[in-house]
Amino acid sequence: QQQVKQSPQSLIVQKGGISIINCAYENTAFDYFPWYQQFPGKGPALLIAIRPDVSEKKEGRFTISFNKSAKQFSLHIMDSQPGDSATYFCAASKFASGTYKYIFGTGTRLKVLA
Amino acid sequence: DAGVIQSPRHEVTEMGQEVTLRCKPISGHNSLFWYRQTMMRGLELLIYFNNNVPIDDSGMPEDRFSAKMPNASFSTLKIQPSEPRDSAVYFCASSLLRGGSNQPQHFGDGTRLSIL
Repeated sequence: QQQVKQSPQSLIVQKGGISIINCAYENTAFDYFPWYQQFPGKGPALLIAIRPDVSEKKEGRFTISFNKSAKQFSLHIMDSQPGDSATYFCAASKFASGTYKYIFGTGTRLKVLA
Repeated sequence: DAGVIQSPRHEVTEMGQEVTLRCKPISGHNSLFWYRQTMMRGLELLIYFNNNVPIDDSGMPEDRFSAKMPNASFSTLKIQPSEPRDSAVYFCASSLLRGGSNQPQHFGDGTRLSIL
C-alpha cells in the first residue's frame, strides 16, 4: 500500500512532441503529489505538484493530470525540448510519524531528440 | 536564496574508513531528511528530523549508520566502518513543517560516495 508505481522506465520523444509519464498509488491517505526533475550530478528539483482536490494543474509546458477514483496521476510535457532530457520522479506524500513522508516512484529517464 | 548545501560533493575512501557527510538545510526549514539513491533501490529515506530531533530512523540500513542534527542549520550522516555496498549518492532535503499543510521537500545536489 505504500508503493508508488511509475511507468515507463524510459522514454524517447522527438523534439516538439508530448512526453507522458504515469504513476499509480494505492494508499488513499496520500494528499500531495509532487513531480521532481533530476539532471545528472544534481539533486531532484521540484517541478510541479498537485493536491487531490483538483484534477489538473498546469505550469507552462508541464501539466499534472490527477484521477482520484483511479488513484493515478500523470505528468505531461508539451512541446518537449532537448533540455527536458532528465530523469523524472513522481512521489506521493502523507502525514505519518510526525512529518510528511514522501514515497517516490522508480523514475523515468526521458530523452528528447533534437 | 541559498538552497540545501551538501558537502563534500564527492568522496572516495577505502573500506573500513569513517565517512561523514554534511548538510546545511534551507534557513527557516524545520524538517530535514537524509536519502540514499542507487540504481537498484531508487530513492530511499534513511532518517528524518523535526526541529533538530530525530523522529524516524527506521530506514537506516545498519548500526554502522548514524545521523545527528546539533542545530537548525547543520546535520551529519556518518558511516563507520564503511563498506563497498554503501557506495551511492546521498541526498539531504529540507522542508517547512506546518500544521495541516504538506510542503515540498527541497534537495541538495548530493554526495557521491564510493567505497573501494
